Parts: sequence; structure tokens; C-alpha cells
Amino acid sequence: QKEVEQDPGPLSVPEGAIVSLNCTYSNSAFQYFMWYRQYSRKGPELLMYTYSSGNKEDGRFTAQVDKSSKYISLFIRDSQPSDSATYLCAAEDNQAGTALIFGKGTTLSVSS
Amino acid sequence: EPEVTQTPSHQVTQMGQEVILRCVPISNHLYFYWYRQILGQKVEFLVSFYNNEISEKSEIFDDQFSVERPDGSNFTLKIRSTKLEDSAMYFCASRTDSNQPQHFGDGTRLSIL
Repeated sequence: QKEVEQDPGPLSVPEGAIVSLNCTYSNSAFQYFMWYRQYSRKGPELLMYTYSSGNKEDGRFTAQVDKSSKYISLFIRDSQPSDSATYLCAAEDNQAGTALIFGKGTTLSVSS
Repeated sequence: EPEVTQTPSHQVTQMGQEVILRCVPISNHLYFYWYRQILGQKVEFLVSFYNNEISEKSEIFDDQFSVERPDGSNFTLKIRSTKLEDSAMYFCASRTDSNQPQHFGDGTRLSIL
């Protein structure tokens, strides 16, 4: 069954903290992994897009994929109050279909 | 930066009525999608559309739903006879090809009374 599991939180951290957000998945056919940020009443905004295993860095954000353990992570360095949002992980197998399978999202609050 | 736009932002409709949700995907994108998010739940895939036909649909996308690309810029989702459980945020997404990420609009909040 295609599933992506994510701890919904909420997660509260002080400004400047390092944040670690995590997801697990069950479908070994997943090839592409994404992190989206969603503010209240807004659509998912793409943060990171990775293919297969490994790390990808973009500014304060690092995405990590470990296909052997079916584990995906997003690290946020020097967190800011503007990072307060819900973070959604997503995966797709890009084979027969192109549907994204989402986790439930983790709500992050960064206090100043 | 180009973005996916959706209208209306909020639609209130009586149960049993037809509703059309509209999307303008990013202009050079070829793959189009609809997702929905019921309050407090996961974003769920409804349907994907490529080359003027449905390429994949979920179990949610039953005969009450249809999609259309009536011209070169719009992509619509129609719900023929709305039910209370259709109340949700509906998101449109698009991408250039299957190796690129999907980009989402800000959604239409559909409220069925």
C-alpha cells in the first residue's frame, strides 16, 4: 500500500534552533521525494525536491533521503519565526502514475 | 515567478448543486493535477491530466467528478452533484514533465451546505 507517515507534531522551537522533520514510507518503488511548506489557508509551496538517496542542500534547508531504511528528513538550520508553518513530505514512484503521496504534515512553531 | 492560480478562493454551494473549480496552470507546463485536503487530513490525489486526457485517477474521483482543459490556459474540475463530504480545500498543481516537481496553487475552499 502506498503510504507516507509523518509525525504531525506540533513542534515548538526557539529562534535559531536546528529543526529536524522526518517521514517514513512503505513503497520501495518511490523514487522522488519532496518537502513542501504550507502556511494557513495557502497551497503547498515546494521547498526541496530530491531523486533517490542522498542529501540536498538549499540555504538553511537540507533534505536527506535514505532509501535503505525508507526514511526522509528535512533539516532547518538557524530557524526563524517565518519558518512557522506546516511541513509536508511527499513521494512518488513516477512509474504508471504521477500522483504525489503526502504525509499528514508536521506543524512547526518558531518563537522569537 | 510564474505561479498556478485558482479561482474562486472560496466557493459556497448547496448540496446537490454543480460546482466548477478553475485553475490556470503555469504556462509551459504539460501535466496537470487536482488534489483535495479535508480539514485536518492529508492532501489526497484526485486526478492527473496529460495530453488532453486523464492519465491517472484515484478512488475518490468517481463519476461525480470530471476534468477539462477547455482552452490553452484553463484546467477545470467539475463536481456534478455535490455532497456534504465534498467540503475541502481543492488544489490544482502542474509541472513541465514527469521528472520535475509539481507546483501548487493556493486552492479553492469548497463549502457544501
